[in-house]
Amino acid sequence: DAKTTQPPSMDCAEGRAANLPCNHSTISGNEYVYWYRQIHSQGPQYIIHGLKNNETNEMASLIITEDRKSSTLILPHATLRDTAVYYCIVRSIGSNYQLIWGAGTKLIIKP
Amino acid sequence: DVKVTQSSRYLVKRTGEKVFLECVQDMDHENMFWYRQDPGLGLRLIYFSYDVKMKEKGDIPEGYSVSREKKERFSLILESASTNQTSMYLCASSLGPTGQYFGPGTRLTVT
Repeated sequence: DAKTTQPPSMDCAEGRAANLPCNHSTISGNEYVYWYRQIHSQGPQYIIHGLKNNETNEMASLIITEDRKSSTLILPHATLRDTAVYYCIVRSIGSNYQLIWGAGTKLIIKP
Repeated sequence: DVKVTQSSRYLVKRTGEKVFLECVQDMDHENMFWYRQDPGLGLRLIYFSYDVKMKEKGDIPEGYSVSREKKERFSLILESASTNQTSMYLCASSLGPTGQYFGPGTRLTVT
């Protein structure tokens, strides 16, 4: 069973910041939070991951709450090409690298 | 950039045929994975490999086998294809705990 909870869908206006929430209230101390997205008919794309601290890369920022029970993926200036299903996944580094995929959030960027 | 390629984007096979799906990655990643993705069921792990000639069963290995003779190549084999194996097949690779990088997928239809 997926260990994360995400809203099934969200809209965002083009050019605005898209903030995608994820609840992972049962996360344990050695589990990382990973974000992926899947654009229609393509393979999933890795976006970012983090443990405790906020992380930023060229694609997005990841904000993790202090208690680590939730996180937010931020796409700072959404474009139409960011329309995709976004998956939030928690995973232990010491595990066999399996990812438990939930249903994700369908993000629609509107012009 | 990491590149993961899959041998075919679309494949049509008949029931009972032996099917080979090949995946190649060019970043010297130690871990490789095969998933299938079906509407409403998300991504499900079939097999993974963390080293040459090593393999581990995922959640749904029945009806499939794998081969990893070289580090860069991971093959999925359907010994006798059945209609319930019609699906999108996705290959991924990763280096240790980093994010998994996916190929474009192979849409297999078994008639």
